[in-house]
Amino acid sequence: KQEVTQIPAALSVPEGENLVLNCSFTDSAIYNLQWFRQDPGKGLTSLLLIQSSQREQTSGRLNASLDKSSGRSTLYIAASQPGDSATYLCAAYGGNQFYFGTGTSLTVIP
Amino acid sequence: ETGVTQTPRHLVMGMTNKKSLKCEQHLGHNAMYWYKQSAKKPLELMFVYSLEERVENNSVPSRFSPECPNSSHLFLHLHTLQPEDSALYLCASSQVAGGRQHFGDGTRLSIL
Repeated sequence: KQEVTQIPAALSVPEGENLVLNCSFTDSAIYNLQWFRQDPGKGLTSLLLIQSSQREQTSGRLNASLDKSSGRSTLYIAASQPGDSATYLCAAYGGNQFYFGTGTSLTVIP
Repeated sequence: ETGVTQTPRHLVMGMTNKKSLKCEQHLGHNAMYWYKQSAKKPLELMFVYSLEERVENNSVPSRFSPECPNSSHLFLHLHTLQPEDSALYLCASSQVAGGRQHFGDGTRLSIL
């Protein structure tokens, strides 16, 4: 069964810093890898989707990479802002299943 | 506004009650999902519907019964729930199964 892990569970950085969030998965037979953010009391907001044939995707200050062979994905956030404070979740999709990590809670300090 | 609307936002019910959660999407998507989110646990996929057909049922107890009458609406019928069923229930949709998902804000369910 696919297992998805996100480390660290929590991260605090000063405003303006660049940062990397990590996501690892045990089964490389995935169809895609998705990154989401979740604000308190809200549902998930889709950030980026990387197909299994792709290596990275970019949207604004966000860049996500995928290395299937090593079972890893990273989300790079450039020039962090207080509005980036949220929980970030990754999900691996394969076999009609979405497998989520438990998330990284990010706090950006003004 | 995500285009996915869930009602009610909060629900408190006794173990013997019957209630339903509703999800509606205005995005023209063909796939819809129910998830359970409990504290300190990964999001759990419960049911997947694609073109109104159930394509996945992840060993969810029968006290949860999904219904997808059309591609825009998804229901989760609840009966005889247990205290451990208290959680945030999220609905999502995507253009195709496995595609980029759009989530509603969820229903916070509390079982007394």
